[in-house]
Amino acid sequence: DIQMTQSPSSLSASVGDRVTITCRASQGIRNDLGWYQQKPGQAPKRLVHAASTLHSGVPSRFSGSGSGTEFTLTISSLQPEDFATYYCLQNNSHPRTFGQGTRVEI
Amino acid sequence: EVQLVESGGALVPPGGSLKLSCAASGFTFSSSWMSWVRQAPEKGLEWLANIKMDGTDTYYLDSVKGRFTISRDNGKNSLYLQMNSLRVDDTAVYYCVKGGGALDYWGQGTLVTVSS
Repeated sequence: DIQMTQSPSSLSASVGDRVTITCRASQGIRNDLGWYQQKPGQAPKRLVHAASTLHSGVPSRFSGSGSGTEFTLTISSLQPEDFATYYCLQNNSHPRTFGQGTRVEI
Repeated sequence: EVQLVESGGALVPPGGSLKLSCAASGFTFSSSWMSWVRQAPEKGLEWLANIKMDGTDTYYLDSVKGRFTISRDNGKNSLYLQMNSLRVDDTAVYYCVKGGGALDYWGQGTLVTVSS
């Protein structure tokens, strides 16, 4: 199984900050990676697919990059509604595997 | 608008069975892979299973293989998850998700609690 290691597990930031979250795959997964945002009590929502393609309707302050084993999600200017938990997901092979999540808090 | 509505969550004793359903609308269900993902209380997301458009291919997480069965009825735009031999650690919110890998739309989830 492919292991997805996400870092950091949590971070504190302020509105306007640039935030970067990293996901590392235990083996190469090309660009078969997505990023998801989950707010408390809500279902996850997709932000990015194919490592760098923004999901429809997602603000442009979100961006994804990387390929192979190293991937990043960047929020260029953190907004109040961005405080949430973020997960990466590899869809290169079965079983699909998520990172353990990164909680972004004030 | 894509809508996925799960149902069937309940409190069940260890060793019991439960069948979850997901009603899909707003997209061509018969042309989409579908998946189930769960989230235990205060824990992360865990992919469980997916099924090909026509139901001919299915994949499972090892820990649920042989206990859980994913299925679909394209005529009813519905996805199912039959869960047998339930364990306490199966307690979670279960999400129905459009897609087989690039999981693009999620339902709101249904809570399954396994407890005596």
